[in-house]
Amino acid sequence: DAKTTQPPSMDCAEGRAANLPCNHSTISGNEYVYWYRQIHSQGPQYIIHGLKNNETNEMASLIITEDRKSSTLILPHATLRDTAVYYCIVRGGNTGKLIFGQGTTLQVKP
Amino acid sequence: DAMVIQNPRYQVTQFGKPVTLSCSQTLNHNVMYWYQQKSSQAPKLLFHYYDKDFNNEADTPDNFQSRRPNTSFCFLDIRSPGLGDAAMYLCATSRGDRGYTDTQYFGPGTRLTVL
Repeated sequence: DAKTTQPPSMDCAEGRAANLPCNHSTISGNEYVYWYRQIHSQGPQYIIHGLKNNETNEMASLIITEDRKSSTLILPHATLRDTAVYYCIVRGGNTGKLIFGQGTTLQVKP
Repeated sequence: DAMVIQNPRYQVTQFGKPVTLSCSQTLNHNVMYWYQQKSSQAPKLLFHYYDKDFNNEADTPDNFQSRRPNTSFCFLDIRSPGLGDAAMYLCATSRGDRGYTDTQYFGPGTRLTVL
């Protein structure tokens, strides 16, 4: 599975959009981009995933570049409860395993 | 609500004393996973069951074993816990769809302390 690179930490003001970048330059054609988040002392929570097209659900939007080498997770109106570690995972291959990297710690501030 | 349940949320054991962690699910999913997450690290897959088929990760120590007596329950057994096994243990499930869109749903985790 392709590796991902994320900034270790980011801050965001409450009520503003949080844009979390992820680089996955070695992604192959059949690999999906998944985003999970983990609030302190809880299990990871699925957010969204995509292959080529941009995706949106009730939690977030996922923007994938045309060459698929990077993506951005957008939380449109961040709240204090969105403070968490956000993991970008490239998933595919034969097993479809989730291989977590170190993620981005997002701190939403009042 | 359908969910993944882990009991207990906190477990304390003594060095070398066997311990069992449990996971149950009401999602009727075919696949159940166990992850280990040490402090300030990302979750790491230990093994998973696809139905009754057990799949061990190559670097999972022999000290860790698992049982899945039925679809709903899966257990993680640590035969002789060492201090290095102190961690959060996460259970996850997925439907088992073939392909790459099989979303995993996680339980809240069991935090294991080894004294």
